[in-house]
Amino acid sequence: SQQGEEDPQALSIQEGENATMNCSYKTSINNLQWYRQNSGRGLVHLILIRSNEREKHSGRLRVTLDTSKKSSSLLITASRAADTASYFCATDASDYGGATNKLIFGTGTLLAVQP
Amino acid sequence: EAGVTQSPTHLIKTRGQQATLRCSPISGHTSVYWYQQALGLGLQFLLWYDEGEERNRGNFPPRFSGRQFPNYSSELNVNALELEDSALYLCASSLTGRYGYTFGSGTRLTVV
Repeated sequence: SQQGEEDPQALSIQEGENATMNCSYKTSINNLQWYRQNSGRGLVHLILIRSNEREKHSGRLRVTLDTSKKSSSLLITASRAADTASYFCATDASDYGGATNKLIFGTGTLLAVQP
Repeated sequence: EAGVTQSPTHLIKTRGQQATLRCSPISGHTSVYWYQQALGLGLQFLLWYDEGEERNRGNFPPRFSGRQFPNYSSELNVNALELEDSALYLCASSLTGRYGYTFGSGTRLTVV
């Protein structure tokens, strides 16, 4: 079953604009991760934010996490055509030492950046 | 450093046959995860192997099975293939789930 739901499902912007994607989840988590997938290929890990963190930056990426609202957002600033891809959030609710330990992925946001 | 490698890249099988997909994790990674990405359904967790043992499996029928070898490579077997098994099968590896997974490029399985 899906843990995360991304919003919007699809987003089309012009190069240079900022892109914001949101993710909501249902259960308590240890961390939340964002991944990128180019056209049916493998996923690339972008950034991880732990449950005790509220904001994290990596280059043009900014991720926020609000555990009270069970939501996260990914902001890509100054977008480029090469950012065109699907973006997924994934929650890690691992019970370390227990039986779980798996990422549960959201449904993804398809981002198209027009040159 | 080599990434996660999956083989074959593409596989076409007939309904009722068996498919075997292979995955080699990043050197030093002991955990291997399998996901199914069917069209329009997102990524669904299939199996997690660690240190040669199956640690967890998703909500898939028993005809989806696999194993992990002493060198930590892994195999996913799908028996009695059905048309709806057509999907991209992604393998990932990690040291632990906390630090993010590294994914392979996937095997696209088509059942005809």
